[in-house]
Amino acid sequence: KAGVTQTPRYLIKTRGQQVTLSCSPISGHRSVSWYQQTPGQGLQFLFEYFSETQRNKGNFPGRFSGRQFSNSRSEMNVSTLELGDSALYLCASSAVLTGDSYNEQFFGPGTRLTVL
Amino acid sequence: QKEVEQNSGPLSVPEGAIASLNCTYSDRGSQSFFWYRQYSGKSPELIMSIYSNGDKEDGRFTAQLNKASQYVSLLIRDSQPSDSATYLCAVNMYSGGGADGLTFGKGTHLIIQP
Repeated sequence: KAGVTQTPRYLIKTRGQQVTLSCSPISGHRSVSWYQQTPGQGLQFLFEYFSETQRNKGNFPGRFSGRQFSNSRSEMNVSTLELGDSALYLCASSAVLTGDSYNEQFFGPGTRLTVL
Repeated sequence: QKEVEQNSGPLSVPEGAIASLNCTYSDRGSQSFFWYRQYSGKSPELIMSIYSNGDKEDGRFTAQLNKASQYVSLLIRDSQPSDSATYLCAVNMYSGGGADGLTFGKGTHLIIQP
């Protein structure tokens, strides 16, 4: 089974621009979560989508948004980029199961965003 | 505010020994616990999940959970140089359906000395 894919893998933008990142979950997984990873703050939860609906949101400003499509693919958008948005953005997919596999999240390779 | 605490290390362990990684969490309602391994420049890889008090073994890995003490640990037996990585503890709370946001610790950097 193919893993989580993310595009693009690397991105360089300048302050004030906006960016859209894409994530395709593992086939059959309907939940997609997004995380930001920086050396100072570590891995932080951005938001989670299930069946095209945002179910949970982390503590990030409104400049960070996302959506999910009917095929479970997801995009996240960051508007008005700031230098501090430079980070590795990770997407994770999950099958909504019970028992021993409940909530296991599998990460994609990430998109490395650099804001100049 | 959910918090997950880990010793940042580095934790240095000789090859063949047992590596012991620890994690505490603040949210008593947490129900799902995970260990991820992250090599430098790579994304986190899930290695263990645990949901009930006690031990769960998978190959050389054993996860231990004590909800009363809000403590979860990972033991790696017969440590190999390829186990050298950052180990991330992640916790989430069931809120009625599906995958909620994981709260991660900052990770423990493990070094296996040949």
